[in-house]
Amino acid sequence: EIVMTQSPLSLPVIPGEPASISCRSSQSLLHSDGTNCLTWYVQKPGQSPQVLIYLGSNRAPGVPDRFSASGSGTDFTLKISRVEAEDVGIYYCMQALQTPNTFGQGTRLEIK
Amino acid sequence: EVQLVESGGALVQPGGSLSLACEVFGFTLRNHYMGWLRQAPGKGLEWVASISPDGGDKYYVGSAKGRFTISRDTAKNSLYLRLNSLNADDTGIYYCARGYLCAFDHWGQGTRVIVSS
Repeated sequence: EIVMTQSPLSLPVIPGEPASISCRSSQSLLHSDGTNCLTWYVQKPGQSPQVLIYLGSNRAPGVPDRFSASGSGTDFTLKISRVEAEDVGIYYCMQALQTPNTFGQGTRLEIK
Repeated sequence: EVQLVESGGALVQPGGSLSLACEVFGFTLRNHYMGWLRQAPGKGLEWVASISPDGGDKYYVGSAKGRFTISRDTAKNSLYLRLNSLNADDTGIYYCARGYLCAFDHWGQGTRVIVSS
């Protein structure tokens, strides 16, 4: 089983300031086609999870461009250039290269 | 518009069984992997099971093997999850989700399962 490890687990941020979340996998998520099978989700309070980033670095439709992601293999990063109040929620990374698909523990972003 | 609507969640006694359903709109099950995921109260997300676009391959998390069964009915545009031998650790919100590009790109609102005597 691929283990996903996120840090930090809690992220208090002042509005307008940047934020960064790290996700590391116990095995490479690089698919044979050159893509990374890594997704970033956010779960806002009381809502179902929603996709932010596909394949390691591709923003999902409708996601603001203040969200960006990078990384390959086993190390990935989600960045928010300027945090807004609406960004409050729990951020998860997930690998779907292998079953069982596995999630990181989640990073709770809160506004200071 | 893509939509997924779960149903079937309930309060069930330990050792009991339950069937969850997920009706989908705006796409066809034949074109996508589909999955069930869950979230225990106050906990993170856990993948439970997936089914391939042709329905021929099914995958389960270890704790679900032998107890849960994922299936689908393309004529009814519906995905199912049969849960047997339930225990307290199965308590949570169960989501169905559509697979796309190594992700689950659309999720339902979830259905709540409570296993308790």
